[in-house]
Amino acid sequence: EAGVTQSPTHLIKTRGQQVTLRCSPISGHTSVYWYQQALGLGLQFLLWYDEGEERNRGNFPPRFSGRQFPNYSSELNVNALELEDSALYLCASSWVWGYTFGSGTRLTVV
Amino acid sequence: EDKVVQSPLSLVVHEGDTVTLNCSYEVTNFRSLLWYKQEKKAPTFLFMLTSSGIEKKSGRLSSILDKKELFSILNITATQTGDSAVYLCAVEARMRGSQGNLIFGKGTKLSVKP
Repeated sequence: EAGVTQSPTHLIKTRGQQVTLRCSPISGHTSVYWYQQALGLGLQFLLWYDEGEERNRGNFPPRFSGRQFPNYSSELNVNALELEDSALYLCASSWVWGYTFGSGTRLTVV
Repeated sequence: EDKVVQSPLSLVVHEGDTVTLNCSYEVTNFRSLLWYKQEKKAPTFLFMLTSSGIEKKSGRLSSILDKKELFSILNITATQTGDSAVYLCAVEARMRGSQGNLIFGKGTKLSVKP
């Protein structure tokens, strides 16, 4: 069974640009969680999607948004990129015994 | 405000040593506590704990939860250089039915020297 897959693995963007990150959960999992891991900080909860709807949102500005598609894959969009958005963005899907993370997208904003 | 605090933040040991990593939490609507190992990118799942006093074991790793005192420990015996990683503790807060999001501590960076 394939795990959680994320794309792309690395991205370099310029301040002010927009970026879209993608995630596919484990087959059969309906929930997708997005987390940001900035240097020196712990994993910060961003967004939770389940059955196509946003269920919860972390303490991030509205320029962080996303959606979930009928096949349960998800996109995270970040508008008006700022330097401090440079981080590892991790996606996870949940199962009875825990959460499985993807390998992440490393975003660098210059 | 919900929070998870891990200690120590970093630890250097020699191969063969035993280490204990600590995680304390203050989270409303607690559902479970999870431990992860993060080497490069993807945190890999170690344990999920929901009940107090029941030790979970996997090889040289073990963990236990105390829901009265609101903490958990992760023990690693006979450490090896391959155990070098950041160990993350996370608490799941119940938000909708049986699901919720994870609140992470800052992690403990373990370095095992040969």
